[in-house]
Amino acid sequence: GAGVSQSPSNKVTEKGKDVELRCDPISGHTALYWYRQSLGQGLEFLIYFQGNSAPDKSGLPSDRFSAERTGGSVSTLTIQRTQQEDSAVYLCASIQIRTGELFFGEGSRLTVL
Amino acid sequence: AQSVTQPDIHITVSEGASLELRCNYSYGATPYLFWYVQSPGQGLQLLLKYFSGDTLVQGIKGFEAEFKRSQSSFNLRKPSVPWSDAAEYFCAVGAQGTALIFGKGTTLSVSS
Repeated sequence: GAGVSQSPSNKVTEKGKDVELRCDPISGHTALYWYRQSLGQGLEFLIYFQGNSAPDKSGLPSDRFSAERTGGSVSTLTIQRTQQEDSAVYLCASIQIRTGELFFGEGSRLTVL
Repeated sequence: AQSVTQPDIHITVSEGASLELRCNYSYGATPYLFWYVQSPGQGLQLLLKYFSGDTLVQGIKGFEAEFKRSQSSFNLRKPSVPWSDAAEYFCAVGAQGTALIFGKGTTLSVSS
């Protein structure tokens, strides 16, 4: 597709379960971000991948959160032992380096019961 | 560490009135600055960006923003706001090769 694709669009899980959220960036975009959007909290930076460089993980809120990017393309955000406070919309964005513009996916809405 | 502050959580303007949304940043070098808009139930859309050069930047939908280095600000303006501009607006700061940091957003309501 032409845009950033995220799946699942909605995920309801029980507290303590692990979840995986997937992001398929725009072809050719070498940089990829994950953000978390909670009501009233804006966009909280989680992790940033840039080419083959080590990712910037400084925004990950705890060691229950991890992310990887395989083959410089698809990325997976994993949340282990989910907690209710993890409920949010998780947004992925890829960046066109030449223009610096981020293109966002529609997000994955996570609800932890 | 870099940060972005949007001092106004919620602003209401009358339809047709002018608008200014404030954004202040803290950054070690000359940053890249962005404004994004998120309409209800929709994704984020880039309004405008500043990398270098002319400090007054024109964007889509009639928006503009001015980079003021001395004030560490990048305020968004529009001379006349239609009802359809009601949305949440986010300011963001970053640099090439670094994470882009967003403010907490300003919700704009437009009254008729």
